[in-house]
Amino acid sequence: NAGVMQNPRHLVRRRGQEARLRCSPMKGHSHVYWYRQLPEEGLKFMVYLQKENIIDESGMPKERFSAEFPKEGPSILRIQQVVRGDSAAYFCASSSVDTQYFGPGTRLTVL
Amino acid sequence: DAKTTQPPSMDCAEGRAANLPCNHSTISGNEYVYWYRQIHSQGPQYIIHGLKNNETNEMASLIITEDRKSSTLILPHATLRDTAVYYCIVRVASQGGSEKLVFGKGMKLTVNP
Repeated sequence: NAGVMQNPRHLVRRRGQEARLRCSPMKGHSHVYWYRQLPEEGLKFMVYLQKENIIDESGMPKERFSAEFPKEGPSILRIQQVVRGDSAAYFCASSSVDTQYFGPGTRLTVL
Repeated sequence: DAKTTQPPSMDCAEGRAANLPCNHSTISGNEYVYWYRQIHSQGPQYIIHGLKNNETNEMASLIITEDRKSSTLILPHATLRDTAVYYCIVRVASQGGSEKLVFGKGMKLTVNP
């Protein structure tokens, strides 16, 4: 059973561009979570989604960030008009009932 | 804010048992204790979780005090690859799986040769 998959693993964007991060949950998992880890800081929750629904987005910045988990395909975290402060590691986790399993992360660098 | 407190760091000799403490004095009756670790900058790795009984799996053992206000994660034979930041997290476990994880600063375990 493959684990949580994220791509790309590394992403470089210039200020003002868009970043799209993809997360494929473990087989059989219908819950997806996104977390962000800024340099030298701990992980912070961003958003929790089930298929086609956003359940909790209390950790998402109000502007420029959005997330979706369509009926088919991976979950997408989208960052519009990136700024240098968006440079971070973005981790996705998935669960079936309780325990969350994490992917390897996407490291976003904004130049 | 995280509901747990951990020492910032700990050292352990390779091959010895590593006992990682965690205080969670305000834990509620329906909250589980979860342990994760993050090796270097990799994704967090699930280790173990428990409610009130002691738990053991292939990675570690979890000892929870009778009053549930603290717990200890035990790595029975630490190796250099166990060097990581360890996070103790309390959260409600539900069938819906809706509870987010709140990470604190964790504890850096360094296993020395």
